[in-house]
Amino acid sequence: DAKTTQPTSMDCAEGRAANLPCNHSTISGNEYVYWYRQIHSQGPQYIIHGLKNNETNEMASLIITEDRKSSTLILPHATLRDTAVYYCIVRVVSYGQNFVFGPGTRLSVLP
Amino acid sequence: SQTIHQWPATLVQPVGSPLSLECTVEGTSNPNLYWYRQAAGRGLQLLFYSVGIGQISSEVPQNLSASRPQDRQFILSSKKLLLSDSGFYLCAWSETGTGGTEAFFGQGTRLTVV
Repeated sequence: DAKTTQPTSMDCAEGRAANLPCNHSTISGNEYVYWYRQIHSQGPQYIIHGLKNNETNEMASLIITEDRKSSTLILPHATLRDTAVYYCIVRVVSYGQNFVFGPGTRLSVLP
Repeated sequence: SQTIHQWPATLVQPVGSPLSLECTVEGTSNPNLYWYRQAAGRGLQLLFYSVGIGQISSEVPQNLSASRPQDRQFILSSKKLLLSDSGFYLCAWSETGTGGTEAFFGQGTRLTVV
């Protein structure tokens, strides 16, 4: 079972920031938080990941709470092409280093 | 740079027929390899993963099997397909090492069993 909880769906106006929350209350100290997105009928695309500190790249920012029990993915200026299912994953660091996906959040960016 | 190839892109197979989906990775050595399945409107389900040649771990008991005959080749197979095997199959790879590495996905194979 996935170790994260995300809202089923969200809407965001084009040009505004999209803030996607994720709860991972049982995260352990050596587990990273990853975000992927999947546009219809394509393979998932890596967005960003982090352990403790906030992270930023050309696609998004990742804000992790101090207790690490939740995080937020921020798309600073959402475009229509950002419409996708967004997956928050807590990486199980074990034999095989699996990526376990939950149902994700379906983000709809509206014109 | 690293690339992942997965084929075919689409496949329609009758019930009871065999299946072979192939995935290859270029530009890296000794990757971790994964097979996922996504049923229509559902999330991704991890089927198999491999940390090396001949080393396969199954996450879900099912009608499918996986093999890794070469370092960068991962094959998903079935002897007799079921209707429930229909779905979107994705291959992925990640580097070996610590938990800080991401996984990269292929473009997927859409399998319809009829």
